[in-house]
Amino acid sequence: NAGVTQTPKFQVLKTGQSMTLQCAQDMNHEYMSWYRQDPGMGLRLIHYSVGAGITDQGEVPNGYNVSRSTTEDFPLRLLSAAPSQTSVYFCASRDVGGTDTQYFGPGTRLTVL
Amino acid sequence: AQSVTQLDSHVSVSEGTPVLLRCNYSSSYSPSLFWYVQHPNKGLQLLLKYTSAATLVKGINGFEAEFKKSETSFHLTKPSAHMSDAAEYFCVVSESGTASKLTFGTGTRLQVTL
Repeated sequence: NAGVTQTPKFQVLKTGQSMTLQCAQDMNHEYMSWYRQDPGMGLRLIHYSVGAGITDQGEVPNGYNVSRSTTEDFPLRLLSAAPSQTSVYFCASRDVGGTDTQYFGPGTRLTVL
Repeated sequence: AQSVTQLDSHVSVSEGTPVLLRCNYSSSYSPSLFWYVQHPNKGLQLLLKYTSAATLVKGINGFEAEFKKSETSFHLTKPSAHMSDAAEYFCVVSESGTASKLTFGTGTRLQVTL
């Protein structure tokens, strides 16, 4: 039982490049989400999903896309990276209807030059 | 709408002294409340949660928190700080009973000195 896994751990991009941050969970949770963490701002919700095929925007969705084709996977795509997207990204899955506990992945540290 | 305010961005205590990290919340419905801890360069770990059962909630590593509806507070305490408690702590609110979004506070950095 690996919990929530994220790849890569670190990434450096140039402005305008695209990339996908991978997230997977093996707890069969329906609810998954992506956050970004910036100094002094806590965690802000980018996108979330309540099940396969269903996604919705969070607080800061601009510049990011998501899809949810399976229960296990929830990738986050940066379409055209900007320096303002330099941040630490966390994926999470949540046991809604059970313990209501949210489990976080280890994070991806992204730098956009 | 829901929100959470962590009243101190930085708290410093001596090892062996009590810890108090303050959190106030706002929620239109009966809330679920959580405290998470983040050690440097690590992910977030759940310390404890309140979901409308007992108002005094005990968590891991000797931490506890008390839900006070009249004061809309959910302060985190520990009787005796340890060096390993140095980390960032986040108070989180969600509306219980739904798959609602979690709202995070801005965090409190706890420093523990000898």
